[in-house]
Amino acid sequence: DGGITQSPKYLFRKEGQNVTLSCEQNLNHDAMYWYRQDPGQGLRLIYYSQIVNDFQKGDIAEGYSVSREKKESFPLTVTSAQKNPTAFYLCASSIDPGTGYGYTFGSGTRLTVV
Amino acid sequence: AQTVTQSQPEMSVQEAETVTLSCTYDTSESDYYLFWYKQPPSRQMILVIRQEAYKQQNATENRFSVNFQKAAKSFSLKISDSQLGDAAMYFCAYRRYDKIIFGKGTRLHILP
Repeated sequence: DGGITQSPKYLFRKEGQNVTLSCEQNLNHDAMYWYRQDPGQGLRLIYYSQIVNDFQKGDIAEGYSVSREKKESFPLTVTSAQKNPTAFYLCASSIDPGTGYGYTFGSGTRLTVV
Repeated sequence: AQTVTQSQPEMSVQEAETVTLSCTYDTSESDYYLFWYKQPPSRQMILVIRQEAYKQQNATENRFSVNFQKAAKSFSLKISDSQLGDAAMYFCAYRRYDKIIFGKGTRLHILP
């Protein structure tokens, strides 16, 4: 079945460490997105990519980095520069960034800094 | 910049009753798309309903329907015959081209 796989489901990180969240899709979607979800804040866009080897910053990109070397994969690295990384992270994809279709979401990764 | 506002952080409804969740948005565009997403306790985001701004007819999906008022920039979600499985966080969202902007959500409680 086609879908988006995020791993791991839960992730613990020590302060000062970088950590990478995985996002893989087999939907042949062109665009991929990373959102951060905090209580009472809704979903805030971190980075997005509409095509391989290209990506754009979202509203809260500071302290994060991404790559898009393959169409299927869009990993997110939370760096030590992110001051408050504890949150729920959602990856999503869309068939064509120019259309009006919604996203398909992964099941999320809960990151906790210990 | 486009914004999406959900003014009701939490709502409750009796099982089998009808509830309406409010959403307003701000845009200068005439062609765009609006969505309602549901996030149950599992935290999996599920698309509930989609509305194309150029269509005057309100979208419906079984027990879910919207009231789309383009001039007022309002996009409310009506849930009829509420069921326990409808308990979730509901997000209103706007899309013009390359990304979707989400509201902060409304948590819906279903009272048995």
